[in-house]
Amino acid sequence: EDQVTQSPEALRLQEGESSSLNCSYTVSGLRGLFWYRQDPGKGPEFLFTLYSAGEEKEKERLKATLTKKESFLHITAPKPEDSATYLCAVPIQGAQKLVFGQGTRLTINP
Amino acid sequence: DTGVSQDPRHKITKRGQNVTFRCDPISEHNRLYWYRQTLGQGPEFLTYFQNEAQLEKSRLLSDRFSAERPKGSFSTLEIQRTEQGDSAMYLCASSLSGYEQFFGPGTRLTVL
Repeated sequence: EDQVTQSPEALRLQEGESSSLNCSYTVSGLRGLFWYRQDPGKGPEFLFTLYSAGEEKEKERLKATLTKKESFLHITAPKPEDSATYLCAVPIQGAQKLVFGQGTRLTINP
Repeated sequence: DTGVSQDPRHKITKRGQNVTFRCDPISEHNRLYWYRQTLGQGPEFLTYFQNEAQLEKSRLLSDRFSAERPKGSFSTLEIQRTEQGDSAMYLCASSLSGYEQFFGPGTRLTVL
């Protein structure tokens, strides 16, 4: 069964303390992996698409990387405004639906 | 604002009532998706349209749920005879014949 698992479920960091979030997946024939940011009470906001192992994408303090089994979202010197839930998702082959992980709730304390 | 819009943003209803939500996708996007999200979980796929054709429905979509996309533009999601278990955030997303899906702000449904 196609599955996406994110860890940790929650992470608290001090401002400026870098860390990484993990997204592991088991899908047949990966056709991309997406990262989204979601603020409380709002819809997910698209961040990155990664299509092949070894690919990296960067946006401000965020960098996403992809291997054959997992993806990492690295957060460098985070600020309180980076606090949010970060979701990863993969499209299911032959269909168009996204399968999401349960998310990592990130809190950055000032 | 040219993003995905949803209406209403919040809906409180009593058990047994019918509710309808609307989604307006990004104007040039031909694919439209509905997801449901409960607290602490990622969104779960409900159904998908390509233009006006509904191409896939999840097992989660019981016969009390129906979705339409007349003329391939906006979409509606109706829930009949609501139950307390239907309380969730209902999210709409659209895409342009590709994989990146862009989400709207969601409709928060509370069934009392």
